[in-house]
Amino acid sequence: GAVVSQHPSWVICKSGTSVKIECRSLDFQATTMFWYRQFPKQSLMLMATSNEGSKATYEQGVEKDKFLINHASLTLSTLTVTSAHPEDSSFYICSALRRTSGEQYFGPGTRLTVT
Amino acid sequence: GESVGLHLPTLSVQEGDNSIINCAYSNSASDYFIWYKQESGKGPQFIIDIRSNMDKRQGQRVTVLLNKTVKHLSLQIAATQPGDSAVYFCAESLEGDSTLTFGKGTMLLVSP
Repeated sequence: GAVVSQHPSWVICKSGTSVKIECRSLDFQATTMFWYRQFPKQSLMLMATSNEGSKATYEQGVEKDKFLINHASLTLSTLTVTSAHPEDSSFYICSALRRTSGEQYFGPGTRLTVT
Repeated sequence: GESVGLHLPTLSVQEGDNSIINCAYSNSASDYFIWYKQESGKGPQFIIDIRSNMDKRQGQRVTVLLNKTVKHLSLQIAATQPGDSAVYFCAESLEGDSTLTFGKGTMLLVSP
């Protein structure tokens, strides 16, 4: 089966610092990756769509200068939370769209805590 | 029974019971639907999907029903097991658009 990994699985950072989260498709190529944010006891909210080799498309209300997305290859997308604040603490989940089948596979998530 | 928490409705069942989890979707134009299972601290796991040209689809111990008239989706789990305890989300999308919109989710608690 298709596997998507995220690194790190959890991270604690201080307010004002930046944190980078990686999303990798391990055994398939993904032209498109999606980034979601999930607060406790809530649903997944799409933040942005990341396309390989082009700029990401952000959902309404998501600050593109705060959440930097880079999709430099067909197997890697990164999300950088810049100048993190405690309200950015959340569970960040990525998914990858398999180029050959169009199926979407989710990563295990990254727990970000900003102190 | 079913109760509504602050954000997440909860369905509590006994092991061996059949569970029915419901979802009201938002876009009448959506034509592809997926049910996901999410365990605590993990990413969503695909369970079963259905396209709008069908009203029922069966998998192993799971059945998805789609009622397009009232924009309603349900997931039936037969002989529910403690390992089925998790949060279940429905998601919808449009043909040709891989973007998924997730529903609010239901927590399923299975007692041994």
